[in-house]
Amino acid sequence: KQEVTQIPAALSVPEGENLVLNCSFTDSAIYNLQWFRQDPGKGLTSLLLIQSSQREQTSGRLNASLDKSSGRSTLYIAASQPGDSATYLCAVTPISSGSARQLTFGSGTQLTVLP
Amino acid sequence: DGGITQSPKYLFRKEGQNVTLSCEQNLNHDAMYWYRQDPGQGLRLIYYSQIVNDFQKGDIAEGYSVSREKKESFPLTVTSAQKNPTAFYLCASRGGTSPLRSNEQFFGPGTRLTVL
Repeated sequence: KQEVTQIPAALSVPEGENLVLNCSFTDSAIYNLQWFRQDPGKGLTSLLLIQSSQREQTSGRLNASLDKSSGRSTLYIAASQPGDSATYLCAVTPISSGSARQLTFGSGTQLTVLP
Repeated sequence: DGGITQSPKYLFRKEGQNVTLSCEQNLNHDAMYWYRQDPGQGLRLIYYSQIVNDFQKGDIAEGYSVSREKKESFPLTVTSAQKNPTAFYLCASRGGTSPLRSNEQFFGPGTRLTVL
């Protein structure tokens, strides 16, 4: 059964610092990997989607990489800002989910960027 | 504006009551999902539907029921059989027309259910 792990569970950094969030998954048979942002009490906002055939995706100050063979993904945030403070969730779509394409989530990393 | 709406934002239930959470999307997506989120945990799948009038149980379906009579709507009923229903409930949909985006899920703002 696919499992997704995110370490650390919480991270505090000073404003302006570049940072990396980590995500690992146990089964490399995936369709894709998605990174989401969740603000307190809110729904999830999709940040980046990486197809299984891709190595990375970029959007603004965000860059996500995927190493399927090692079961790892990283989310790189450049020049962090207090507005980046949120919980970041990683999720994969296992090939075993078939046409349902249901996501398997990690438990998230809670990021705090200090002014 | 295309998106997913959920109502109500907050819901309070007395023990023994059934309650229904609403989820509506105008993205013309075929697939819809219900997830439950507990503090400090990832999301867990309750039910999903790939097409109108069809739905399947997810990992934690016990004590929940759904219907999919219209493409736009996928309501979730939390029954009295659900022993620990206090949680944050999130609805999602999937179905972009681009092959690259067809697997991307989009989420609503959530409903926080509290049992009194």
